[in-house]
Parts: sequence; structure tokens; C-alpha cells
Amino acid sequence: QVRLVESGGGLVKPGGSLRLSCAASGFTFSDYYMNWIRQAPGKGLEWVAYISSSSSDTNYADSVKGRFTISRDNARNTLYLQMNSLRAEDTAVFYCARDWGSGPLSAWGQGTLVTVSS
Amino acid sequence: EIVLTQSPGTLSLFPGERATLSCRASQSISSNYLAWYQQKPGQAPRLLISGASTRATGIPDRFSGSGSGTDFSLTVSRLEPEDFAMYYCQQYDGSRAFGQGTKVEVK
Repeated sequence: QVRLVESGGGLVKPGGSLRLSCAASGFTFSDYYMNWIRQAPGKGLEWVAYISSSSSDTNYADSVKGRFTISRDNARNTLYLQMNSLRAEDTAVFYCARDWGSGPLSAWGQGTLVTVSS
Repeated sequence: EIVLTQSPGTLSLFPGERATLSCRASQSISSNYLAWYQQKPGQAPRLLISGASTRATGIPDRFSGSGSGTDFSLTVSRLEPEDFAMYYCQQYDGSRAFGQGTKVEVK
């Protein structure tokens, strides 16, 4: 079955860095666009970034542009999110999710919590 | 950038009642690239509807989506206890964005 498992979350100080991973299984990872979506405590969903199936195209929310970098390794079936210059307002559960590029987010991981605090 | 506005913020209904949720886009969404998701506390969102009106696999037929252009809606014909949750609309016309959500709570 389709499975997405995020890891790499934790506590980091403001200005610090963290790299999230999302391990995919149960489907042909290289066929799909992949996304990161986050949810601050008690708040709604915020789309963060996507990457195309071949990594040729990426797109970011304005709130993270220039600080976050999305990447993927199709040989390892893994998606990444490198987060630099972290701020308190980046505190959230981060989810990875797949889509067809012109389709909905059809499968989601369970999320990993990132806490930015001194 | 397309901005989605959901209304109402909270819907208070009894089990068995009909729920109608609205999602309005700041500009027309081409090809009805609009989806609806349900999220329960402590869980990841679950896809309900794509293409504005197509139910995802395994979604009961009491859930239906409609609309086009800038105005979309999600209807739950008769609320079951498990349907009380948060609901989000999302556009995937080029970039991606979510509405701020509607909470359906027990009256």
C-alpha cells in the first residue's frame, strides 16, 4: 500500500537549520510530483513547496522562498526539505504528500513536528 | 496567486442534518482544479473530492462537490458522527493553496 513516512523533525533554535525527509513506498515515486505542507499548532494547512517528478521544476510559498529548498532522490524514493534561517513562526507539523502535477494531494504522510524555540 | 476563502468558519449542526460548505477563489480556477479534504484531530488530511466534483476512492456518496470558476461547495447530505471534523478546499491550478478551513461541529 502507499506509504509516506516523514522524519527529521525536532527542536531547533531560531536561525538554525533542519533537514526533513519523506520516505515513500508502495507506488512508483518517480512518477509523481511531491509536496511539503505544514500546519502550525491549532492553525490551518499551508502549502510550502512542490517538486516535479524529474526535479526540473520547483515552486515555493512566499513565506519560505529563499530559506527552504525542496529536493528528491528518485533512486532512494525519498523527498527532502532543507530548512535554513528558521523562525519561531515556522513551528509546525510538516507533511509530505504526492500529486500528479495537475492533480490533488492523493496520499499524505503522518507528519513530523518542527519546533523553533530558544 | 489564487487565494481561497472558505465560509462559514464554523458550522454547528446535529447528526443527520445537511452541511453545505463554501469555497470562493480570488480568480477563476481552470479545469476545476479544486479539491476538498477532511482532517480529524491528530490525523493527516484525507482527500474527499477532486476536480471539484469527483469523489476519491472509498468516500461515501453522502459527500458531494459542485461548482466551477470561482465558486465551489462541498455538501454532506446527512451528517454521520464521524463527519464532524475540519474541511479544507485546495486549488492545484499551477501553484497550490488551501482555504483557511471550515469546522463542522456537533450542535
